[in-house]
Amino acid sequence: QVQLKETGPDLVQLTQTLSITCTVSGFSLTTYNVHWVRQPPGKGLEWMGAMWNGGGTDYNSAFKSRLSISRDTSKSQVFLKMNSLQTDDTAKYFCARHGRHTMGITSFFDYWGQGVMVTVSS
Amino acid sequence: DIQMTQSPTSLAASVGESVTITCLASEDIYGSLVWYQQKPGKSPQLLIYGATILEDGIPSRFSGSGSDTQYSLKINSLQPEDFASYYCQNGLSTPYTFGAGTKLELK
Repeated sequence: QVQLKETGPDLVQLTQTLSITCTVSGFSLTTYNVHWVRQPPGKGLEWMGAMWNGGGTDYNSAFKSRLSISRDTSKSQVFLKMNSLQTDDTAKYFCARHGRHTMGITSFFDYWGQGVMVTVSS
Repeated sequence: DIQMTQSPTSLAASVGESVTITCLASEDIYGSLVWYQQKPGKSPQLLIYGATILEDGIPSRFSGSGSDTQYSLKINSLQPEDFASYYCQNGLSTPYTFGAGTKLELK
């Protein structure tokens, strides 16, 4: 069955770099796109970026040049790397699969990982 | 970026009642609207995409409607497991923006 699982640190120091791995199973990264979404404690969801199945990437400009997404298809892993962390980057970070359907043009996320809660500490 | 304005922010209702949550896009998203449910400590769960298409396994008491910039999620005959937060999402173009969420609480 389809599964996504994020692994990463619980705590990152201010101004340091965050690295999270999303390991997927039940589908291929060369067939499906995978996205990163984050959620600060008690707040809403924010789309961060995508790894397209063809190997390209797309980023939310809100993260400017701090964010990098990459993958290793042989290991079924997608990586998020974000530098210059600030306290407002404290959030739960999710990876999610881009759903497919035969009708329409809507982009949606049909499977999500359980998320990893990252605290940025000063 | 497309802004998604969701209302209300919170809503109190009783089991058996019906509720409606609305989402307004800052521009026409041509029906590319998605709804998720999220329970505390859990990941979001896909409910509806394409404004009206119910994801497999989602009960039929959930329904979506709307077009252009205005969309709504209706939940009929609320069940105890429906008390959660709900988010809409722009599914037309990146960045895939979300509404701020609606917390549905038990009255």
